[in-house]
Amino acid sequence: DGGITQSPKYLFRKEGQNVTLSCEQNLNHDAMYWYRQDPGQGLRLIYYSQIVNDFQKGDIAEGYSVSREKKESFPLTVTSAQKNPTAFYLCASSIALARDTQYFGPGTRLTVL
Amino acid sequence: AQKITQTQPGMFVQEKEAVTLDCTYDTSDQSYGLFWYKQPSSGEMIFLIYQGSYDEQNATEGRYSLNFQKARKSANLVISASQLGDSAMYFCAMRGADGTSYGKLTFGQGTILTVHP
Repeated sequence: DGGITQSPKYLFRKEGQNVTLSCEQNLNHDAMYWYRQDPGQGLRLIYYSQIVNDFQKGDIAEGYSVSREKKESFPLTVTSAQKNPTAFYLCASSIALARDTQYFGPGTRLTVL
Repeated sequence: AQKITQTQPGMFVQEKEAVTLDCTYDTSDQSYGLFWYKQPSSGEMIFLIYQGSYDEQNATEGRYSLNFQKARKSANLVISASQLGDSAMYFCAMRGADGTSYGKLTFGQGTILTVHP
């Protein structure tokens, strides 16, 4: 079955540490996205990628970094520069940037201790 | 800039009845898309329905329909014959097609729907 996987489901990190969240899709989608969700809030776009080796900042990119070396993979690194990293992180993909629906993975809940 | 407003923090409905979740939007784009997603307590975002700004007919997907009123800039979700499994958070979102909003989804704050037996 095609879909989007995110790992781990839960992640705990000490302050000052970088952490990388995994996102993999086997839908053959070109575009991939990372969103952040805070309790009781909607989603906000962190980074997005239209195609391999290309990515753009979203609305809240500060303190985050991404790479897109393979079509299937779009990992997100939460750096120590992110002031308030505790949140729910969702990865999504679509056939192309402005076409088709964005489909989401199950999410990773990051807690900074 | 795009903006989505969902004014109902929480809604209650009796099982088997219909419910309408409100969504209004603001954009200067001529072309855009409107989406509704469901987020159960597990956290995953589930796509429900899509309406394009140039679509003349309201979108329908099973028990879901989108009441699109372009002049009022509203895109309300109607769920018919509610089921207990419909209890979840519902998000309205808009995808822009012009300029800096190209391809990006902007989400509203969400509405928590509770279905009573």
